Amino acid sequence: AQSVTQLGSHVSVSEGALVLLRCNYSSSVPPYLFWYVQYPNQGLQLLLKYTSAATLVKGINGFEAEFKKSETSFHLTKPSAHMSDAAEYFCAVSDLAPFALNFGKGTSLLVTP
Amino acid sequence: DVKVTQSSRYLVKRTGEKVFLECVQDMDHENMFWYRQDPGLGLRLIYFSYDVKMKEKGDIPEGYSVSREKKERFSLILESASTNQTSMYLCASGGRTNYGYTFGSGTRLTVV
Repeated sequence: AQSVTQLGSHVSVSEGALVLLRCNYSSSVPPYLFWYVQYPNQGLQLLLKYTSAATLVKGINGFEAEFKKSETSFHLTKPSAHMSDAAEYFCAVSDLAPFALNFGKGTSLLVTP
Repeated sequence: DVKVTQSSRYLVKRTGEKVFLECVQDMDHENMFWYRQDPGLGLRLIYFSYDVKMKEKGDIPEGYSVSREKKERFSLILESASTNQTSMYLCASGGRTNYGYTFGSGTRLTVV
């Protein structure tokens, strides 16, 4: 089965600094990859998705991710962190039909003033 | 926007009780999923359904069952609740494409 590994369960950045959340995937076929964000006491919201089109994917709230097949990575970045970005972030890979998502364990992003 | 509604945000049940968690989506989606979320473990798939009356086990189905009698509704059933089933339960739905899913707000279940 396809799987993802998120490096770092907690990441802390200063407001205005670059955000980099790491995700590596394991897949026997070209994967479909996703990043979701979860704010406290809420469900998951889709940030962006890679579905084998452009390798650089832009999402909501200024986030983007780049699919790198040679590195089996799909890292999430944002040029300048905002206090409102503090949340839990999950990387996910889509399994074969009917496309259940396999999630990483999550990375908690803390943004400090 | 797709809306996935979970019937309860917070639920407290006693050990041994039969518990029903309800999920309803309004976009005529074929696929529906139940996940369990625990700190440090991420989201784990319990059951999913790709059509009415169809169900498939996920990674951790033990102690759970599901029902999908109508396309828009997917129920998770804890036949005899136990304290180790205290968790956040998330429902999701999606169409027949591989473009991600929409999640409900979650039900935080406490079994005492």
